[in-house]
Amino acid sequence: GNSVTQMEGPVTLSEEAFLTINCTYTATGYPSLFWYVQYPGEGLQLLLKATKADDKGSNKGFEATYRKETTSFHLEKGSVQVSDSAVYFCALNSGGYQKVTFGIGTKLQVIP
Amino acid sequence: ETGVTQTPRHLVMGMTNKKSLKCEQHLGHNAMYWYKQSAKKPLELMFVYSLEERVENNSVPSRFSPECPNSSHLFLHLHTLQPEDSALYLCASSQERGNSYEQYFGPGTRLTVT
Repeated sequence: GNSVTQMEGPVTLSEEAFLTINCTYTATGYPSLFWYVQYPGEGLQLLLKATKADDKGSNKGFEATYRKETTSFHLEKGSVQVSDSAVYFCALNSGGYQKVTFGIGTKLQVIP
Repeated sequence: ETGVTQTPRHLVMGMTNKKSLKCEQHLGHNAMYWYKQSAKKPLELMFVYSLEERVENNSVPSRFSPECPNSSHLFLHLHTLQPEDSALYLCASSQERGNSYEQYFGPGTRLTVT
């Protein structure tokens, strides 16, 4: 079956540091890949997505590239801010309403 | 109201109570979902409704009973819950676009079973 693997964290960084959160997946076919973010006390929000190999999703300074050869979709940001502190979820969809798989979520803490 | 709303935001109930969670989406989507989010566990998909018909039920105990009266509203009826059912319950909606089913989530209901 499908699966998504990401570090649980917490990841603690100083403000303006470079961020990488790794995500690897196992799936049949050609899934779409997503990063969601959950701020404290809120639901998940779509951060970015990529629907085919070599696509790069980007939003709010975050980027992730769909790497089919390494089955990865790592999230990066060049300079994090305190306001980026949240839980980040990697997810995939291999087609169909019921075929969405989420990772366990990585908690990011950014300190001033 | 915009997006996906959920009420109540917090709920404390005893094991013999009956309560309902409500979700409403204002996005014109045709699919709605219930998820359970527990600490240190992946998001668990509970139910999926597509065009108001249930298309997925992931072996959820019968003490959870979903209802989807129309494409904008989704309920989760709760009765005789157990303490391990305490969690954040998230509602989401989506609209089929190509092969991308990006989901839009509500803020969740924090449920505590005593």
